[in-house]
Amino acid sequence: QKEVEQDPGPLSVPEGAIVSLNCTYSNSAFQYFMWYRQYSRKGPELLMYTYSSGNKEDGRFTAQVDKSSKYISLFIRDSQPSDSATYLCATKETSGSRLTFGEGTQLTVNP
Amino acid sequence: EPEVTQTPSHQVTQMGQEVILRCVPISNHLYFYWYRQILGQKVEFLVSFYNNEISEKSEIFDDQFSVERPDGSNFTLKIRSTKLEDSAMYFCASVIYPGELFFGEGSRLTVL
Repeated sequence: QKEVEQDPGPLSVPEGAIVSLNCTYSNSAFQYFMWYRQYSRKGPELLMYTYSSGNKEDGRFTAQVDKSSKYISLFIRDSQPSDSATYLCATKETSGSRLTFGEGTQLTVNP
Repeated sequence: EPEVTQTPSHQVTQMGQEVILRCVPISNHLYFYWYRQILGQKVEFLVSFYNNEISEKSEIFDDQFSVERPDGSNFTLKIRSTKLEDSAMYFCASVIYPGELFFGEGSRLTVL
């Protein structure tokens, strides 16, 4: 079983739609959860960073972590064509420093 | 805004050659990392570096790989004898405290 699983998509939505991106994980030791955005041939860019369970909101982006079901989500409200990118979820244990990434979901927002 | 910078952006090399990828982390960051991403695959951890030594490494980071911080600003990844399967994007990242990694734009390595 993969440690972090993410549907690679592709996902295509019209401009203005609400986008839901999800990951599941298997390692109970994961305590930190992140979402990165990656444009083609560029480095990952940190969008959201959360610790343990709960919600975190930043502008149009909301990250949710449900540790009981080992499920993490990113919601994008009022999606824009500039949101078109690959979205990567990542997790980390409390100890150690490595991030474990999902495969990434390719999102296209159509004008 | 401070950023992690990487050079070269693209390097083409022959199998068996040595390659050095360079990174300048954000100046006040203390932890440094190398990740790689083979085309179409997930981002994978290679190694972390803190206080001038390796703090953690993955099974990918074998004896062909080494890292060094030769001065106060640069952080390098060396691949001694490149193989075809080393072709990938290599990302440097840095952070003040573990968790919120900031990545560079990447160095694309093509091994022929």
